[in-house]
Amino acid sequence: AQSVSQHNHHVILSEAASLELGCNYSYGGTVNLFWYVQYPGQHLQLLLKYFSGDPLVKGIKGFEAEFIKSKFSFNLRKPSVQWSDTAEYFCAVNTGNQFYFGTGTSLTVIP
Amino acid sequence: GAGVSQSPSNKVTEKGKDVELRCDPISGHTALYWYRQSLGQGLEFLIYFQGNSAPDKSGLPSDRFSAERTGGSVSTLTIQRTQQEDSAVYLCASSLNPRAEKETQYFGPGTRLLVL
Repeated sequence: AQSVSQHNHHVILSEAASLELGCNYSYGGTVNLFWYVQYPGQHLQLLLKYFSGDPLVKGIKGFEAEFIKSKFSFNLRKPSVQWSDTAEYFCAVNTGNQFYFGTGTSLTVIP
Repeated sequence: GAGVSQSPSNKVTEKGKDVELRCDPISGHTALYWYRQSLGQGLEFLIYFQGNSAPDKSGLPSDRFSAERTGGSVSTLTIQRTQQEDSAVYLCASSLNPRAEKETQYFGPGTRLLVL
């Protein structure tokens, strides 16, 4: 069965630190990839997405993600986090038939 | 509408009672999804509606769970004889055209269900 793995369950960083959240998926076919973010008390919002083309995609608020097909990975990065980035981050994969989500990574940024 | 809406936002019920959760997708979106988010878990797919096609019910955890989508718009998720393990946040999402190359889901705020 298809699956999405987010290896970091809880990350704590100080402001201005760099961030990288891992996401790996298991599906051999063509996929569309997403990162969603859920800020405290808010609903899930799309952060960025990859469909085709340049494997390095840029999203809102300075986030970016790189699709590495050979590694089945779509890691999320931000060079300098802010306190306002404290949230839950979910990686998702669309195989064309269904969406699969990871278990999420909780990010806490300490001022 | 401006976004996906869900009601109620919170629901507390007693074990054994039935509950109905409602989702209003974005106007014009043909696809509608229900997910469940339990504490410490990812999003668990429950059911998927696409236009007038038969829904994909492969994610429903038991026959106590059912969903309808009337007129290709509003959807209701029904849980019969609720159990404590049904406690979770139930999320609805919609998308414009799931067969398009660039499909994106838009999520509602969720219904937080607590079964006592």
